[in-house]
This record gives sequence, structure tokens and C-alpha cells, in this order.
Amino acid sequence: EPEVTQTPSHQVTQMGQEVILRCVPISNHLYFYWYRQILGQKVEFLVSFYNNEISEKSEIFDDQFSVERPDGSNFTLKIRSTKLEDSAMYFCASDTGQSSGANVLTFGAGSRLTVL
Amino acid sequence: AQSVAQPEDQVNVAEGNPLTVKCTYSVSGNPYLFWYVQYPNRGLQFLLKYITGDNLVKGSYGFEAEFNKSQTSFHLKKPSALVSDSALYFCAVRDDSNYQLIWGAGTKLIIKP
Repeated sequence: EPEVTQTPSHQVTQMGQEVILRCVPISNHLYFYWYRQILGQKVEFLVSFYNNEISEKSEIFDDQFSVERPDGSNFTLKIRSTKLEDSAMYFCASDTGQSSGANVLTFGAGSRLTVL
Repeated sequence: AQSVAQPEDQVNVAEGNPLTVKCTYSVSGNPYLFWYVQYPNRGLQFLLKYITGDNLVKGSYGFEAEFNKSQTSFHLKKPSALVSDSALYFCAVRDDSNYQLIWGAGTKLIIKP
């Protein structure tokens, strides 16, 4: 069964450092998402990406965050200058973009970011 | 504004007993409702969705959910719980303004042998 893969599984970084989280969505999917889940809290939407541009973003997704699809397969989330409160599990997800599959997301296993 | 609520942080059920995980919602238009499950150290997995049609929706792993418009609820159910059903369950509703999912806080389901 097709999977969304994420790397790294866990990253520890110092406050103020740049972090790039990588995702390989399912190959025929058209919509890509980043979510985060702070430990013990709810899943929060960060950004959605379609046709090589951001389609929606939340208030959390400020100027410190950016996304890219540099080579047609990888989908990356960059945090320019990490803060302690960025510590969370970051999930990548994708869906087909077809109406029948709308909002039926396939999630990766997540990347745990720890900011010290 | 659209919202979704999961009133129980945790639900404990004995193996073999029926289980219910509650979800209520608030939407301005027709609701698009979803259940996802998160097993330990895994990403979320889609279980089932309600868009239109039959109020009882069947999904993966023997789960089903009942859409109740008058009570604005979409409770997740299973007739006979398994220990392997122990996980975190998230209800979600689609935001009609941007088509993104709005997530509930999650309910931890613990099935005891």
C-alpha cells in the first residue's frame, strides 16, 4: 500500500537554528499538507499546497515557516529560526485532490522536532 | 464558525464490549465529517467519512459511525472492542470556507483484556 514517508523521524536542534523536515507524498496525489501536534494536544493545520503553491495556511504558519516542492517528489517544511514552542510532532499528509477522495488524507509517521 | 468537540479525553472499555467515542459538531452548511485513528508512534489513518446519504457509515477495522443531524453528533462505534483498538481517535469536520479539516482534541481509547 502506498505510503507517505517522512524524514527525519526525530530531530533535536538548538533554538534559533534552521530545520528542514522532508516528506515524500504518494506519487499520484495532488494536495500536500503539513500538520503539527504538540505533545498531548490536538492536531493543528499548518499549510496546504497544490499546483506548486500554497493554497491555504493557518495563523501558525508565519514568516518563519516555508514549504517547497523542489524536485517533484519531495515536499519540505522549513523553519528558519526555531523557537522552543516549535517542539512538536510534524505530520505530512497528501490526498488525491479528487472529489471522491476529498479530505481523505494519507499521513506520514511524523517527524518529532525537539528544540532546546 | 465550524467546530468539532470530543467531550471525553479518555474512554475505557473491556475487550468484547461495545464501544462508543463521542463527537459533536457545529457547521453552517452541510457537514462533511471524518474519523481518523492514531496508533502509538504512527501518523493518523483515515477510518471513515460522512458526506451524504445513509446516516450509518461503515469504515475500516469494523468501525462505524452514526450521523445524527438533530443532535449534531457523529459518534464512532464498534460492536465488540479489541485490545488492538487502543489508540487515539480524532473526529474532524470540513471547514466550508477553505475546505480544510478542523480537528477535535482527540479521545484516547483504552481497551482492557
